[in-house]
Amino acid sequence: KQEVTQIPAALSVPEGENLVLNCSFTDSAIYNLQWFRQDPGKGLTSLLLIQSSQREQTSGRLNASLDKSSGRSTLYIAASQPGDSATYLCAVNTDKLIFGTGTRLQVFP
Amino acid sequence: GAVVSQHPSRVICKSGTSVKIECRSLDFQATTMFWYRQFPKQSLMLMATSNEGSKATYEQGVEKDKFLINHASLTLSTLTVTSAHPEDSSFYICSVTRPSLNEKLFFGSGTQLSVL
Repeated sequence: KQEVTQIPAALSVPEGENLVLNCSFTDSAIYNLQWFRQDPGKGLTSLLLIQSSQREQTSGRLNASLDKSSGRSTLYIAASQPGDSATYLCAVNTDKLIFGTGTRLQVFP
Repeated sequence: GAVVSQHPSRVICKSGTSVKIECRSLDFQATTMFWYRQFPKQSLMLMATSNEGSKATYEQGVEKDKFLINHASLTLSTLTVTSAHPEDSSFYICSVTRPSLNEKLFFGSGTQLSVL
């Protein structure tokens, strides 16, 4: 059974810091992995999608890496801003999407 | 612009009533839509896969008679919570995927259901 874990569960940092959010999964047989952002009471926004054959994807200040063999992905946020405050979820796609428990990020001015 | 429209965004109802949530794919025809549920401080959990023109596929532990899913057209899926009870209070989100599994998922804005 696929299990997805995210560490840390919560993170509070001053703006400007570079951040690393971790995601681990137990079964490496995945099609892809996605990182999402969720603002309180809102839907999800897809940030980055990494195919199983890829090792990383970049979008602006975000960089996501994937090491399928070790069952790990990291989301790197450069020069964090207060507007980055949200919950970040990773999800692995097998024949369905399985979500991690999320990392609640707060960036304070 | 939004790819998926979900309505309503928030609903409060009395115990025993039924609530219908709509999910519309705006940009493309979606043969498959997914319904998720999220309890406070927990991760999203897949409830069911909605297939256009056929019966939905429910995940283990999800009561199909309680959570009725209808996918009558290629752009609309509905989730009806029948005889809602307080324990059904949750955040419900639908998502739409392009036919290829390797495409991104697009999510609705979610529906916060509160059953009194």
